Amino acid sequence: AAGVIQSPRHLIKEKRETATLKCYPIPRHDTVYWYQQGPGQDPQFLISFYEKMQSDKGSIPDRFSAQQFSDYHSELNMSSLELGDSALYFCASSPDPSSGNTIYFGEGSWLTVV
Amino acid sequence: KQEVTQIPAALSVPEGENLVLNCSFTDSAIYNLQWFRQDPGKGLTSLLLIQSSQREQTSGRLNASLDKSSGRSTLYIAASQPGDSATYLCAVRYWDSSYKLIFGSGTRLLVRP
Repeated sequence: AAGVIQSPRHLIKEKRETATLKCYPIPRHDTVYWYQQGPGQDPQFLISFYEKMQSDKGSIPDRFSAQQFSDYHSELNMSSLELGDSALYFCASSPDPSSGNTIYFGEGSWLTVV
Repeated sequence: KQEVTQIPAALSVPEGENLVLNCSFTDSAIYNLQWFRQDPGKGLTSLLLIQSSQREQTSGRLNASLDKSSGRSTLYIAASQPGDSATYLCAVRYWDSSYKLIFGSGTRLLVRP
């Protein structure tokens, strides 16, 4: 079965650079979530989209932005990168969240800021 | 503040043991609770989803229970195997119209051959 696809899987950037992560949800899933997991930490919610509109916002820095496109894929844009942004970034998807369905996670994108 | 706590933080058991992982949450107004498995450096694999109206869910050797009144969920793993070694995370979604999951810190499980 198709899963959540994230790209790139690994990314190395220098401080103050910009990075873009992409997420392709499971087909027919209209909700996308972004999470950040620092080393040894539990995943922290960043932002979510439902039907291409932002549905919830968590601890996402102002330097980060995200959007969901007409084909339901999503991109997380991170600017002015800092060393502390080094983390595993997960994308997850689900059908209409009001139905309480399982949320499926991708394999994650490893971002290292040097 | 909505918090999710998992105890123990780490667990080492010999192969074949039955074990219980605990998850507690501070707000009983939960929408559902999901258990995940995470292998080192890997993604999150969904194991079980329990809706707030349910008391337990089973999948193979895994059984998860939910007690909203006490703010607890347990993940029971029967006849543990070395392949079960991983970090197990519970995550709660609340009824506050937010779609996000709030994660516990996880229990790091090692099953020794």
